[in-house]
Amino acid sequence: GQNIDQPTEMTATEGAIVQINCTYQTSGFNGLFWYQQHAGEAPTFLSYNVLDGLEEKGRFSSFLSRSKGYSYLLLKELQMKDSASYLCAVRDTDSWGKLQFGAGTQVVVTP
Amino acid sequence: GAGVSQSPSNKVTEKGKDVELRCDPISGHTALYWYRQSLGQGLEFLIYFQGNSAPDKSGLPSDRFSAERTGGSVSTLTIQRTQQEDSAVYLCASSHHRGEAFFGQGTRLTVV
Repeated sequence: GQNIDQPTEMTATEGAIVQINCTYQTSGFNGLFWYQQHAGEAPTFLSYNVLDGLEEKGRFSSFLSRSKGYSYLLLKELQMKDSASYLCAVRDTDSWGKLQFGAGTQVVVTP
Repeated sequence: GAGVSQSPSNKVTEKGKDVELRCDPISGHTALYWYRQSLGQGLEFLIYFQGNSAPDKSGLPSDRFSAERTGGSVSTLTIQRTQQEDSAVYLCASSHHRGEAFFGQGTRLTVV
């Protein structure tokens, strides 16, 4: 089975930086994904890590440490439109690569 | 199609009725997922299809739930004898075997 933990909610100011942590305990590991979900909409893909290290994509970066079962999503230069839920998902090596999601972190950006 | 298509977008049904939810994945994607999301909650895994392998049904909450995928493409999620606790948004996603999943807009199911 899998256990994926992330904080429930974080608040930050427009223009600031926020780091969303995700820890996982899985029977196998074959990649970690971050998704963004605005209220009432479907999740959209943000980033993918399968090797240790940092992946940077514009204002968003994602880090992975497989030995620690740990990832974070870093959002820089926060904008009001970044207010959303951020979902951490792990692909396991069993069941031909099922994607299992954490409960999501609600990020609130204030003016 | 260009993206994952789900129908209907909204469904209101009476308790005890059966419902069918449809998902048309992105062409060429071998993997197809069904998730359920209640208001303010995370994604609850329901079922996973990968190519011609037997589906992973470990997330189905009861035997009232079933799903099939015909010809490796379109999938139908069926809920029999619906209950009020089945009310949620049902999300379908598809992916290449190890790629990122792309989600449809979901079906909002309301059981009254």
